[in-house]
Amino acid sequence: EAQVTQNPRYLITVTGKKLTVTCSQNMNHEYMSWYRQDPGLGLRQIYYSMNVEVTDKGDVPEGYKVSRKEKRNFPLILESPSPNQTSLYFCASSFGRYNEQFFGPGTRLTVL
Amino acid sequence: DQQVKQNSPSLSVQEGRISILNCDYTNSMFDYFLWYKKYPAEGPTFLISISSIKDKNEDGRFTVFLNKSAKHLSLHIVPSQPGDSAVYFCAGGDMFSGGYNKLIFGAGTRLAVHP
Repeated sequence: EAQVTQNPRYLITVTGKKLTVTCSQNMNHEYMSWYRQDPGLGLRQIYYSMNVEVTDKGDVPEGYKVSRKEKRNFPLILESPSPNQTSLYFCASSFGRYNEQFFGPGTRLTVL
Repeated sequence: DQQVKQNSPSLSVQEGRISILNCDYTNSMFDYFLWYKKYPAEGPTFLISISSIKDKNEDGRFTVFLNKSAKHLSLHIVPSQPGDSAVYFCAGGDMFSGGYNKLIFGAGTRLAVHP
C-alpha cells in the first residue's frame, strides 16, 4: 500500500531532551516536507527536500533540523525541544514539483 | 500576516444541501490553489486544485471557483453528504517558488453535514 508513515504517533517529552520523529514513504517520491499544525494557524511548513541531500527552509524552521540521506526517509530532529514546539506534526511527500502532496497520519508532540 | 485566510472556523449544513467554504488570499503572486480535506487522526488528503488562469474547476460533487480580482476562492460541495464532515484547508502557492511543495495554508474550516 502506498503510504507515508511517521513514528512515533504520540510523544510526550521534557524541555531540552533531543528527539527525532521519523518519516518514510514507499512511493519513490522526490519531494518531502514537514509541517506543523496549530489551532488558528493551519499548516505551516518547517522544511522541505527536493531530493537526496537537498533541503530548504520552510516558513518556521527555527528549532528544527532535517536530513535526507535516503530518498525514502526524511527525519525531523529537535535538538533541544521547548514547550512552544508542542504541536501536531505532519510529514508529506510528492512525486514532483507540480504534483499534490501525500500526508502521513501525524505525530502529536507535547513538550513539558 | 496570514496570506491565506479562512474566516469561518466552522460550517454546519444539512445533508443534500450545498456547502460553500470560502478562502481569501493576499499574495498576488499565487498562481494556483489547492483544497485539502482532513479527518480526525488522519493526515490531510488532496481534494481539488485550480490554476490562476482558470475561474472554475469541477470534480464530481466538488467545484472550486476563483475570483482573482477579489482574491477570493470558494469550494462548493453539492450535494453534501455526512461523509464530507471534515476540516477543509485552502492553500496557495506559486510555481516559481516551489510548485505544489511550497504551500501557504489557511487555518481550516470545520464542516459538519447533518442528516
